[in-house]
Parts: sequence; C-alpha cells; structure tokens
Amino acid sequence: DVKVTQSSRYLVKRTGEKVFLECVQDMDHENMFWYRQDPGLGLRLIYFSYDVKMKEKGDIPEGYSVSREKKERFSLILESASTNQTSMYLCASSPAGGGRNTIYFGEGSWLTVV
Amino acid sequence: AQSVTQLGSHVSVSEGALVLLRCNYSSSVPPYLFWYVQYPNQGLQLLLKYTTGATLVKGINGFEAEFKKSETSFHLTKPSAHMSDAAEYFCAVSEGDQGGKLIFGQGTELSVKP
Repeated sequence: DVKVTQSSRYLVKRTGEKVFLECVQDMDHENMFWYRQDPGLGLRLIYFSYDVKMKEKGDIPEGYSVSREKKERFSLILESASTNQTSMYLCASSPAGGGRNTIYFGEGSWLTVV
Repeated sequence: AQSVTQLGSHVSVSEGALVLLRCNYSSSVPPYLFWYVQYPNQGLQLLLKYTTGATLVKGINGFEAEFKKSETSFHLTKPSAHMSDAAEYFCAVSEGDQGGKLIFGQGTELSVKP
C-alpha cells in the first residue's frame, strides 16, 4: 500500500519559534508536495519538489521553506512561526510522468501557533 | 490560470437520496480532473479521476463523475447516500504535464441525515 507519513499529527508552537514538519514516503515517488488546508479555502500549494535537492514555490510560499536531501523525505520549515500559520498541513507525493498521475496524501499535521 | 469552483460549501441529503456535488473548472488546456474525499481528522483519499477516454468515470464507494467539456464541469454523483458518505469532498484540476500539481476547489461538506 502507498504510504505517506507525517511524523507529527498535532503540534503547538509559540510565535517566533522555528518549526519543522517532516514527511516521508515509501513509494519511491519523484514528486513531493506541501499543501496548507484552511476552512473555505480548500488546499493551497506551498512548495513542491520534482527531485532531490530541487524545490519550487507554489502559490503561497511566503513564510515557509523546504528541504529535500533524500528522495523519500520532504520537510516543511517555518522559519519564525506566526499565528496566521495556524492550519492543517498536508504532505503528498506522486510518481513522475505528469498531471495524470494520482497524488497520495498523508494524514495531515495540525499546527497551532500561540 | 487554472481554477476550480465547487458550488455549495455544505450539502445535506437524506440517507438513500441522490448525492450531487458540483464542480466547475477553468483551464486553458485539456485538464486532468480529480475528486478526493476527506474523512474527519484524516488526509485525502482519491475517489476517482478523469484523464482521457470515457467521460463517465466510476470510482470507489459507488461514486461516479462525468466530464463535460462544453460545460467545463465534473460533477460527482452517487445514486443512494449512506451515512458513511458524510465527509468533505474536494474537486481538483491538473493541467497536462505540470508535474502533478493540483489546484483544489474550496471543498463541499456532505451531511447525510438518517
């Protein structure tokens, strides 16, 4: 079975803290994604990566960065957390080959910034 | 630019009634279209997708959707709702070879009344 694992399901962090959200996939997928989910806004793409050490900005990259040192791992970093980054964060992966391929999602990480 | 509009943020049906969730998209090239379902506190699971070929697509749990190019629509239907169908549903579009990036609609929460 396809598996995308987000190591932290629920986090509470203080304003200004550096936050790491970790994601691992076991399907040898080339593509990995970080989305943010907010009520009424659906899912919005933060960053994505098509290869190791490669990253591209999505629609809402401000305040975030990412790291992909290994093919199976894609980390989302909040350099200085703010309350408006309180949200659900979803990691996803897909094989190479274009937009017809299914994207597989992790269970999500609920982040609260206080 | 691509976009997806889901009509109705909340839909309520009675058990056994028809489920109809509406999705319209905007795309400059032939799109790939997806429906995902999200149960409470979980990630997203693929229900079905349209890439090419037959415009009526069947998915899991008895759902189906029809791609109508002339109407730029991809509505999701199920003939008879079950209590277990209560969840949030997301329509998404991916353009051609954009590496699998998905643009999501705002989501529709489906409630099923006994």
